[in-house]
Amino acid sequence: SQELEQSPQSLIVQEGKNLTINCTSSKTLYGLYWYKQKYGEGLIFLMMLQKGGEEKSHEKITAKLDEKKQQSSLHITASQPSHAGIYLCGADRHSGGSNYKLTFGKGTLLTVNP
Amino acid sequence: DSGVTQTPKHLITATGQRVTLRCSPRSGDLSVYWYQQSLDQGLQFLIQYYNGEERAKGNILERFSAQQFPDLHSELNLSSLELGDSALYFCASSAIPGTGGREQFFGPGTRLTVL
Repeated sequence: SQELEQSPQSLIVQEGKNLTINCTSSKTLYGLYWYKQKYGEGLIFLMMLQKGGEEKSHEKITAKLDEKKQQSSLHITASQPSHAGIYLCGADRHSGGSNYKLTFGKGTLLTVNP
Repeated sequence: DSGVTQTPKHLITATGQRVTLRCSPRSGDLSVYWYQQSLDQGLQFLIQYYNGEERAKGNILERFSAQQFPDLHSELNLSSLELGDSALYFCASSAIPGTGGREQFFGPGTRLTVL
């Protein structure tokens, strides 16, 4: 089973609408990352969250990590066509000693219609 | 631009063939990671090297192998290719290994199509 579950898998919104993407883990999240990817291209780092209750914003995108550190949400306000793409959440998993490895959810495909 | 370069950008080959993907890490980064992104599996960690030595293994098939050279560039070798190997292959680098995503910088990827 997937360690990180993203919902929804895909989302179509009208330009100007708000939207939320969720990332849920069955384990405590040590570090949670949000990336954006244009289809077939590389990953663009958006934000990193580490502390329970932490919230960060960049332009019209806000990400939160819940208090129990097992879920994160990404909220886009007044969406624009430039927001379209695949949003991936990634999480650090403890892999022994002081090491962590990065695992990913399957992504949410966002389409913004003008 | 992350500073991580990958070549080639696109690769089209036939089943049964062998290909080599190349990655140059950011200047000063000693650790290289390889990931595979496919529609059904999503983005999955394959293998990590640190200063020329294998550091961690993920879901890497036995038909796949990698190495990191003294100049720190890395190559991912895929052999006996199957249709299901068609995917986007990403390389990432970091200065310090084992820190998760905190300091990983991703390259633009190589799109492999197996016909």
